Order: sequence, then C-alpha cells, then structure tokens
Amino acid sequence: DTAVSQTPKYLVTQMGNDKSIKCEQNLGHDTMYWYKQDSKKFLKIMFSYNNKELIINETVPNRFSPKSPDKAHLNLHINSLELGDSAVYFCASSQVVNYGYTFGSGTRLTVV
Amino acid sequence: TQLLEQSPQFLSIQEGENLTVYCNSSSVFSSLQWYRQEPGEGPVLLVTVVTGGEVKKLKRLTFQFGDARKDSSLHITAAQPGDTGLYLCAGARTTGNQFYFGTGTSLTVIP
Repeated sequence: DTAVSQTPKYLVTQMGNDKSIKCEQNLGHDTMYWYKQDSKKFLKIMFSYNNKELIINETVPNRFSPKSPDKAHLNLHINSLELGDSAVYFCASSQVVNYGYTFGSGTRLTVV
Repeated sequence: TQLLEQSPQFLSIQEGENLTVYCNSSSVFSSLQWYRQEPGEGPVLLVTVVTGGEVKKLKRLTFQFGDARKDSSLHITAAQPGDTGLYLCAGARTTGNQFYFGTGTSLTVIP
C-alpha cells in the first residue's frame, strides 16, 4: 500500500504542451510538497501546501501551478513546457516537519 | 553556492571499507536529516538529529550533528554493496517550515 504515489512515472512531451502530474498520500499528513531534482541530483523545493493552503512558493515560473483539492492530494500542472523543465519531480508529505518527509517515487519529465 | 554543501560529491569504494560523508553550512539548523535515494526512487529518511553534538547509530551507519548545529557527518563502517546510493543531508532552519537539501554524495560500493 503505497504511502505517497505519483502518476505518471514517466512523461515525454513536446515543447509548448501542457501536462499534469498527480500526487496522493494516504498517511494522513497535513503538509505536501513538490520538489524538482535536476540532472546533478540537486533537490529544490517548488511548493508546499498545508491543509490545502499554499504556504511555500519558491521562485518558480508561473507556468507551474499547484492545486490541492484536499489535504491528501497535490497536483502539479505545467503550461507551455520548455526544454529546461526536463527533470524528475518528486511529491512528498510530512506531518511534523522535523519527523521528515515521505517521498513519492518521482515523475521523470522529458521535454523534447 | 548551495546552503548545504556535501563532500565528497562522488565516492567509489571496495566492499568492507569505511567512509565518511560530510555536510557543511555556514547557517545554523534546528534539525538535520539524512536520506538515501536509490535509482528510480524517492529519497528515504534515515535519521533526524536535533541536538548539537548528537550522535545516532543505525546499524553500520553513524550520524553526528555538529556542536554548533551547522554541519553533520555520516560514517559507514564496513560498507556493503547494498549501501550504494545517493546520500542527501537536509537541514531545517531555526525558523521556517521546510528542509533545504544538500548537494548530495553518490556512493558506489564495489563487491
């Protein structure tokens, strides 16, 4: 029974397209996150939601729009995809931040 | 320059050897965590340290938080091929509600 699940696992798309990545957690955590891992494996936070409310919005192009319909779901929609958006995107959740994150297995996005 | 710098960036050792990975910053953190990430998967939490000077052990892994809470180390004794992976430290500032990840150390243990 997967704790944090993301779909799809792989996403290959052309420049200019719009795509979405979905994330669901069944841990009952209050906070969910989107992280981007670049080709050098560096993990950078993009967004954080606490109980459906946006609490962290790092310097991310406004082509990226998170949506949290409820505290168990956090989706990421990307408009007008660019080559530089190619990366692995991870969803994560936490209850108390000091207890650590539980990550999904990632979505590898390739823009061609 | 990243908030948390890890060294070395890459490490390839023989099975049975010992190794230490360092995580350094000029900032103070309220807590620090270590994660291991395997290919095609998300990072998995190994440990959280919250007190300056704290040492925690997880089987052959020993984690230490610096006295000033600006740095941390991970020591692996008698490395095994199953230890292969990307090791990430992550620190939470004294204020704020997110962890900042380090630059990562890619470890390969050769059988």
